[in-house]
Amino acid sequence: NAGVTQTPKFRILKIGQSMTLQCAQDMNHNYMYWYRQDPGMGLKLIYYSVGAGITDKGEVPNGYNVSRSTTEDFPLRLELAAPSQTSVYFCASSLTFTGETEAFFGQGTRLTVV
Amino acid sequence: SQKIEQNSEALNIQEGKTATLTCNYTNYSPAYLQWYRQDPGRGPVFLLLIRENEKEKRKERLKVTFDTTLKQSLFHITASQPADSATYLCALSGYSTLTFGKGTMLLVSP
Repeated sequence: NAGVTQTPKFRILKIGQSMTLQCAQDMNHNYMYWYRQDPGMGLKLIYYSVGAGITDKGEVPNGYNVSRSTTEDFPLRLELAAPSQTSVYFCASSLTFTGETEAFFGQGTRLTVV
Repeated sequence: SQKIEQNSEALNIQEGKTATLTCNYTNYSPAYLQWYRQDPGRGPVFLLLIRENEKEKRKERLKVTFDTTLKQSLFHITASQPADSATYLCALSGYSTLTFGKGTMLLVSP
């Protein structure tokens, strides 16, 4: 079991460029999440999905888009990158939705927008 | 608005002592409270979960308490070791997605 796999690990983008952060899990979890973590700050929820074809906004969704075509994959799309999107991005998955079970996190993607 | 507070200052303790980390919350009625460990450059790793109707949970050297009257959770690591040095995050859920605190860094010196 690989758990939650994120790619790439590091990326530098220029302002206005676009990119997709990949996330895959092999635990057959219906629930998947994207968080961003800024220095000294807690994890902020960007988007989440409760199953293939169903996504919803979290606390900080502006500037991002997601899709969920399969149970395994939950990519995060950045359109027109801005310096404010410089952050570490974590993908996570869980068996249940409500915090009743643990969340499994990927290793993170460190993104710098210059 | 909902707020989760963890001590922003690092906690420095001597090896062998008990580390106690605090998580306070306001404007929140969580059904579940979780604690995670995060090492530099890595994703958070789950440690313990406690439900609103539970007062205490233990796992090896770890103990979590949950006081819904005080709106506080305490996280204890007994017989601490340098390998316990990390940032510890608390996370709350009120029948929805998890909300995380900013975390407290623990430094255990030999």
